[in-house]
Amino acid sequence: KAGVTQTPRYLIKTRGQQVTLSCSPISGHRSVSWYQQTPGQGLQFLFEYFSETQRNKGNFPGRFSGRQFSNSRSEMNVSTLELGDSALYLCASSPNGQGWADTQYFGPGTRLTVL
Amino acid sequence: AQTVTQSQPEMSVQEAETVTLSCTYDTSESDYYLFWYKQPPSRQMILVIRQEAYKQQNATENRFSVNFQKAAKSFSLKISDSQLGDAAMYFCAYRSNYQLIWGAGTKLIIKP
Repeated sequence: KAGVTQTPRYLIKTRGQQVTLSCSPISGHRSVSWYQQTPGQGLQFLFEYFSETQRNKGNFPGRFSGRQFSNSRSEMNVSTLELGDSALYLCASSPNGQGWADTQYFGPGTRLTVL
Repeated sequence: AQTVTQSQPEMSVQEAETVTLSCTYDTSESDYYLFWYKQPPSRQMILVIRQEAYKQQNATENRFSVNFQKAAKSFSLKISDSQLGDAAMYFCAYRSNYQLIWGAGTKLIIKP
């Protein structure tokens, strides 16, 4: 079974631009989560989607948004990029999306650099 | 709110020896899952092992095992017969409300 895929793998943008990252979950997985990883803040939860519905959202400004499609693929968007948005963005999928009893499997990440 | 603490920013071990990485957490929930993930230089986050809180038996996956102390809220990872390929950042995580709450990570160095 193919793993979680993320595109693009690397991205360079300038301040003020917007960016869209894509994530395709493992086949059959219905829950997709997004995390931001930076050296200063570590790993932080962005949001989680299940059956096209956002069920939980982390403490990020409204510039960060996401969505999930009927085939479980997910996208996240960051508008009006700031230098501090430079990070590794990780996507994870899990089979059932149960709140506490589900294992998340991660993609390789998208490395975003904002200049 | 749940928190996860990894107090060892960096650990080193001689190849073929055993090393233990520490993790403590804080929660008021009774049912939960705990995880150890490794992140090698390639940056891919890889699941190492998971523990269900309602199971008293410690989880084991080949050379990896955990020491789960629910009352003490401690969840340490033991790596036996360390190999060069084990070099990575190791993250402890708590599963709650559709998200993972992460520790700061421990960098594991394997000395040949």
